[in-house]
Amino acid sequence: AAGVIQSPRHLIKEKRETATLKCYPIPRHDTVYWYQQGPGQDPQFLISFYEKMQSDKGSIPDRFSAQQFSDYHSELNMSSLELGDSALYFCASSLEQGRNTEAFFGQGTRLTVV
Amino acid sequence: AQKVTQAQTEISVVEKEDVTLDCVYETRDTTYYLFWYKQPPSGELVFLIRRNSFDEQNEISGRYSWNFQKSTSSFNFTITASQVVDSAVYFCALSELTGGGNKLTFGTGTQLKVEL
Repeated sequence: AAGVIQSPRHLIKEKRETATLKCYPIPRHDTVYWYQQGPGQDPQFLISFYEKMQSDKGSIPDRFSAQQFSDYHSELNMSSLELGDSALYFCASSLEQGRNTEAFFGQGTRLTVV
Repeated sequence: AQKVTQAQTEISVVEKEDVTLDCVYETRDTTYYLFWYKQPPSGELVFLIRRNSFDEQNEISGRYSWNFQKSTSSFNFTITASQVVDSAVYFCALSELTGGGNKLTFGTGTQLKVEL
């Protein structure tokens, strides 16, 4: 069965650079969630989209932005990268119709800022 | 606001021992879901279980079992006859439907080490 695809799997950037993470949800899923997991930390919710509109927002820095496109894939754009942005970034997708469906996680993108 | 507490930061057991991972949650909602995820050293989040707040039946899946007690706001996870491959970080999580669907609040995780 198709799963959530995240690319790239690993990314190394220098401070002050920009990074773009991509998430391709499970086919027919209309909702995407982004999470950030710092070293030794639990995943923290960043932002979510439902039907291409932002549906909820967590502790996402102003330097980050995200959107969901017409094909439901999502991109997380991170600018002016800082060392503290080094983390594992997870995307999850779900089908929100009925609001009782489970979210499935991708394998994550490991971002290292040097 | 919702909160998930996993008081055990790290647990070490010898293979074949049983081990219970504790999870206590706080929420003002009457409808919510509880989850357990496993995160092996490779980093991916492996889904283990989702439980609806209205379903307090305990569940068993192979060597895994879950005890949901609404009266104490706990959702504990037991691994029977632990194996080295069970070594991982285990996260308990909570989602509230009023907050935006499946937005999860995770606990801080319990690192389980199973040794020979």
